[in-house]
Amino acid sequence: DTGVSQNPRHKITKRGQNVTFRCDPISEHNRLYWYRQTLGQGPEFLTYFQNEAQLEKSRLLSDRFSAERPKGSFSTLEIQRTEQGDSAMYLCASRGPGGRDEQYFGPGTRLTVT
Amino acid sequence: KNQVEQSPQSLIILEGKNCTLQCNYTVSPFSNLRWYKQDTGRGPVSLTIMTFSENTKSNGRYTATLDADTKQSSLHITASQLSDSASYICVVSASNMLTFGGGTRLMVKP
Repeated sequence: DTGVSQNPRHKITKRGQNVTFRCDPISEHNRLYWYRQTLGQGPEFLTYFQNEAQLEKSRLLSDRFSAERPKGSFSTLEIQRTEQGDSAMYLCASRGPGGRDEQYFGPGTRLTVT
Repeated sequence: KNQVEQSPQSLIILEGKNCTLQCNYTVSPFSNLRWYKQDTGRGPVSLTIMTFSENTKSNGRYTATLDADTKQSSLHITASQLSDSASYICVVSASNMLTFGGGTRLMVKP
């Protein structure tokens, strides 16, 4: 499968714990995006990488959130000291250089904070 | 502020019927508009993408229209099937960033 993959698909954690999600983009895609989606809503932008550089961060990305993309390949999103309000689907998307900026989404990681 | 509004929020139709979903946007500068289908618990999958100069685009039973003057788009689904049950999200691109609508949840019943 050459699409965007995300792991884990589901994560249940207790409030206050740290969690880390991984996204593997389509191999030749240099741009990678993280979104958060709550039930019944559209995705909300969190952050964007071009290669290994994090170029933009949403105000939704509080200090408890950090994202990395070492070597410009896979990316990780870490949430520290999780809160119940962090419960959501976390989506990753990747995009290749040029073209019509088509973003291809992964299946998402569903986080439940109890 | 860039915004994308979709209507209706939810819709129930019988299998075989047609339906039309609406999208209004205030996004600048406009780059393109796309419709995504999102099955429950899955990531969105692109259905159509239209630039400023395109006013209609079809993908099988899905036909999207775009009126860049009124900043409105619609997605028409013909001869609905049970597998069309999903959320349909209108997304407008501006300066490399996407603004998502809240989606229309469609349920197709037998």
